[in-house]
Amino acid sequence: GEDVEQSLFLSVREGDSSVINCTYTDSSSTYLYWYKQEPGAGLQLLTYIFSNMDMKQDQRLTVLLNKKDKHLSLRIADTQTGDSAIYFCAEIGGGFKTIFGAGTRLFVKA
Amino acid sequence: DTGVSQDPRHKITKRGQNVTFRCDPISEHNRLYWYRQTLGQGPEFLTYFQNEAQLEKSRLLSDRFSAERPKGSFSTLEIQRTEQGDSAMYLCASSGRTSTDTQYFGPGTRLTVL
Repeated sequence: GEDVEQSLFLSVREGDSSVINCTYTDSSSTYLYWYKQEPGAGLQLLTYIFSNMDMKQDQRLTVLLNKKDKHLSLRIADTQTGDSAIYFCAEIGGGFKTIFGAGTRLFVKA
Repeated sequence: DTGVSQDPRHKITKRGQNVTFRCDPISEHNRLYWYRQTLGQGPEFLTYFQNEAQLEKSRLLSDRFSAERPKGSFSTLEIQRTEQGDSAMYLCASSGRTSTDTQYFGPGTRLTVL
């Protein structure tokens, strides 16, 4: 079936790197996405990666994709208190249906 | 920059009442999506429009739910005979004619059914 799984919580110190992991099930997914949600707000697209790529870097964000293991990760370098939020991994499943994980709650300690 | 907007932002209603939410997508986007998000969960797909055609519906969308996009621009989501279990954040997203299908989300409508 279709499922995207993420660890629920991650706590890091300000200035450290954060790594948020995700596993997905649909091997036909063309794009995989990372979204950020702050309290009371909608989802903000952070980055995406095309399925034929292994890595994508965008400023402090690095996305790694292991298509064989269906594993996606998001690394945030030099994590700041403003990065505290919920991070969602998402894939496009059959048709145009987007499947989201339950989200990883990132806590950044000053 | 006019992103995706949703109205109202909050709605409190009594069980059994009907409610209607509106979504205005980014103007040049032809695809529009509705999601439901409950506390502690990620968004769950409800339905998808390409222009005015509703192409996909989730089994979550019971017969009390109906969505329309009559002119291929704004969309409405109506819930009839609301139940307490309908309490959630209802998110709308839109995307354009690109291969990445990057979806841009609105701020959501928070529904509370008493």
